[in-house]
Amino acid sequence: NAGVTQTPKFRVLKTGQSMTLLCAQDMNHEYMYWYRQDPGMGLRLIHYSVGEGTTAKGEVPDGYNVSRLKKQNFLLGLESAAPSQTSVYFCASALTGGNQPQHFGDGTRLSIL
Amino acid sequence: AQSVTQLGSHVSVSEGALVLLRCNYSSSVPPYLFWYVQYPNQGLQLLLKYTTGATLVKGINGFEAEFKKSETSFHLTKPSAHMSDAAEYFCAVSRPGTASKLTFGTGTRLQVTL
Repeated sequence: NAGVTQTPKFRVLKTGQSMTLLCAQDMNHEYMYWYRQDPGMGLRLIHYSVGEGTTAKGEVPDGYNVSRLKKQNFLLGLESAAPSQTSVYFCASALTGGNQPQHFGDGTRLSIL
Repeated sequence: AQSVTQLGSHVSVSEGALVLLRCNYSSSVPPYLFWYVQYPNQGLQLLLKYTTGATLVKGINGFEAEFKKSETSFHLTKPSAHMSDAAEYFCAVSRPGTASKLTFGTGTRLQVTL
């Protein structure tokens, strides 16, 4: 059982380039989330989805877009990467809302030069 | 709005000693509370959660936490530290009806020494 899989694991970009991070879950979870983790700041929510075809903004959405065309996939896009977006990105999923815990992937380490 | 404060960004204990990681929260409604652990270069793994009911919650790897409403606290403890407990620990809060969105504390790095 793979759980939550993030692709790629590492990436280096130049300022202004675009890229898409892929998150896939095989647990039939309804809810999916994208976070970024920066030193000393914990994890902050970027965008989330409560079901196929839905997306919503989190705490730090600027500069990012997301799509959830299939229930099992949640894509995070950077249209024009900036050095401030250098971070470790985590995807998570949950069965439903409420008190259901989130299950996390192993992260994508992204550096923007 | 909700927030989480973790006192102490770094905690060092000797192997076999008590582990106490502090977490205080603020929430306008009764919250759901979680502790997650992160090992180097890995994602977060759920240790335990409090939703309703018994205020003393037991989790994996011998950890437990007690929800104290009057103190708005959810401290994590383990009676005897093991070298394998060295990791970063995150306390998080969510509210009912908010799509399980988590607000995380800034984390506490636990070091275990011989």
